Amino acid sequence: EAQVTQNPRYLITVTGKKLTVTCSQNMNHEYMSWYRQDPGLGLRQIYYSMNVEVTDKGDVPEGYKVSRKEKRNFPLILESPSPNQTSLYFCASSLRQGAYEQYFGPGTRLTVT
Amino acid sequence: AQSVTQPDIHITVSEGASLELRCNYSYGATPYLFWYVQSPGQGLQLLLKYFSGDTLVQGIKGFEAEFKRSQSSFNLRKPSVHWSDAAEYFCAVGDTGGFKTIFGAGTRLFVKA
Repeated sequence: EAQVTQNPRYLITVTGKKLTVTCSQNMNHEYMSWYRQDPGLGLRQIYYSMNVEVTDKGDVPEGYKVSRKEKRNFPLILESPSPNQTSLYFCASSLRQGAYEQYFGPGTRLTVT
Repeated sequence: AQSVTQPDIHITVSEGASLELRCNYSYGATPYLFWYVQSPGQGLQLLLKYFSGDTLVQGIKGFEAEFKRSQSSFNLRKPSVHWSDAAEYFCAVGDTGGFKTIFGAGTRLFVKA
C-alpha cells in the first residue's frame, strides 16, 4: 500500500530534550516536506526536500533541522524543543515538485512542557 | 509574497444543500492551486488541483472548483452536501517553481441533518 508513515504519532517531552520525528514514504517520491498545523493558522511549511541531499527552508524553519540521506526518509529533528513547538506535525511527499498531489502522513502530535 | 485567504473560519450547511467555500490567493503569476480535505484525526487528502487549461476543474467526491484569474479566486463547490463531507477544507497555493506550498487557515464545514 502506498503510504507515508510517521513515528511517533504522539509525543510528550520536556524543554530542551532533543527529539526526532521520522517520516518514510514507499512511493519513490522525489519531493518531501514537513508542515506544522496550529489552530487558526492552517499548515505552515517547515522544510522541504527536492531530492536526496537537497533540502531548503520553508516559512517557519527556526528550531528545526532535517536531513535527506535516503530517498524514502525525511526525519525532522528538534535539537532543543521549546513549548512554542507544541503542534501537530505532518510529513508529505509528492512525485516531484510542482503541480503534483502531496500525500500526507497521519500526523504527529507533539507536546513540549 | 504568496498568501492564501480563506475568509470563512467555519460554515454550516444543511444536508442536501449546495456548498461554496471561498479561497483568494496572492501571487504574481498563475500559481498551482489545490484544495485538500482533512477529516477529524486524519491527514490531508487532495480533492482537486489546477495548474493550467480549463478553469473549471472536477475533483473527487463530487467537488469542483473554478479558477478566476481576475478575482484571484479558486472557490470550491458541491451541489449537494452529504453528512460525510463534514471536515476541514484547505486551499493551497504552490509557486510555479513548485518548491513551496502555502496553505490557507482552513474552513471547517459542519453539516446539519
